[in-house]
Amino acid sequence: EAGVTQSPTHLIKTRGQQATLRCSPISGHTSVYWYQQALGLGLQFLLWYDEGEERNRGNFPPRFSGRQFPNYSSELNVNALELEDSALYLCASSLDGEKLFFGSGTQLSVL
Amino acid sequence: GENVEQHPSTLSVQEGDSAVIKCTYSDSASNYFPWYKQELGKRPQLIIDIRSNVGEKKDQRIAVTLNKTAKHFSLHITETQPEDSAVYFCAASRSGGSNYKLTFGKGTLLTVNP
Repeated sequence: EAGVTQSPTHLIKTRGQQATLRCSPISGHTSVYWYQQALGLGLQFLLWYDEGEERNRGNFPPRFSGRQFPNYSSELNVNALELEDSALYLCASSLDGEKLFFGSGTQLSVL
Repeated sequence: GENVEQHPSTLSVQEGDSAVIKCTYSDSASNYFPWYKQELGKRPQLIIDIRSNVGEKKDQRIAVTLNKTAKHFSLHITETQPEDSAVYFCAASRSGGSNYKLTFGKGTLLTVNP
């Protein structure tokens, strides 16, 4: 069974640009979660999607947004990139809303 | 919202020794407490979890304890091995409901020296 897949693996952008990150959950999982992992800050909750709807978001500005498609895949968009947005962005999916299965992440570098 | 504090941030032990990582949480309504292990360059993976109706749970060399009154929970690893070296994250959430959000601690870098 395929795990959670994320693309791209690495993404390099310049300040002010937009970034789009993609995630495919484990087959059968309807919930997708996005986390930001910046050095020394652990895993910061960004967004939760379930059945195509945004269910909850963390303390991030509105330029962080996303959506979930009918096939439950998801994308995270970050507009007006800032240097401090450089981080590993992890997507996770869940069947029961508790146990999260993480992807390998997208390393975003903002220059 | 929930706030999870994790200590220590780094921990170095000799192979065969025990390691203990402690976390505290702020939301008394939190009822689900998982622990994730992230090896260098890898994705976080769930290693054990505990619910608020249980005080302790064991799985081979790892165990978790929960003190609801004090709002703290701990991960215990016995007979540590070099492959236990990783970053460990604790987390807390209110399981279920529309306001679900898993809040993580900032992680503990465990190094097991051979």
